[in-house]
Amino acid sequence: EPEVTQTPSHQVTQMGQEVILRCVPISNHLYFYWYRQILGQKVEFLVSFYNNEISEKSEIFDDQFSVERPDGSNFTLKIRSTKLEDSAMYFCASSAKTGTGRNEQFFGPGTRLTVL
Amino acid sequence: SQKIEQNSEALNIQEGKTATLTCNYTNYSPAYLQWYRQDPGRGPVFLLLIRENEKEKRKERLKVTFDTTLKQSLFHITASQPADSATYLCALRGADGLTFGKGTHLIIQP
Repeated sequence: EPEVTQTPSHQVTQMGQEVILRCVPISNHLYFYWYRQILGQKVEFLVSFYNNEISEKSEIFDDQFSVERPDGSNFTLKIRSTKLEDSAMYFCASSAKTGTGRNEQFFGPGTRLTVL
Repeated sequence: SQKIEQNSEALNIQEGKTATLTCNYTNYSPAYLQWYRQDPGRGPVFLLLIRENEKEKRKERLKVTFDTTLKQSLFHITASQPADSATYLCALRGADGLTFGKGTHLIIQP
């Protein structure tokens, strides 16, 4: 069964450093998403991406964040200058563009980001 | 402001009984509502989607109801099993993408 994959599973970085989190969505999906979940809290939407551009973003997704689909298979989230409060689990998700199918999102296993 | 509330942080149910989880929302007019399951340290897994014009939806031992007047969805697991123990998340399409509730932690005791 196709699945969303994410690398790395755990990333430790120093405050102020740049990190890139990588995702490979399901191959025939057209919509891509990033979410984060701070430990013990709810899953929060960051951004959605379609047709090589951001379609929606939340207030969390400020200028420190960017997304890219550099090569048609990978979907990346970059945090330019990490802060302690960026420590969280980051989930990538994808969905297909077919009626109700668009609304069902498939999540990856997550990358745990720890900022020291 | 938009809010999604799920009942209690932990729900203990005896194996074989029906578990019922509640999702209430305010300041949404959702076209659909979704339920996901999340296991510790894992990503959410989609379970069911119910549209505003559907009162009830079933999938195997799962049943979801959606009352847009009460602004509430109920999620039922019948003949519950210890393997059903997980956190169950309700999700709505909000102003900022898909918005999740905090989830109800369900524990099925043998």
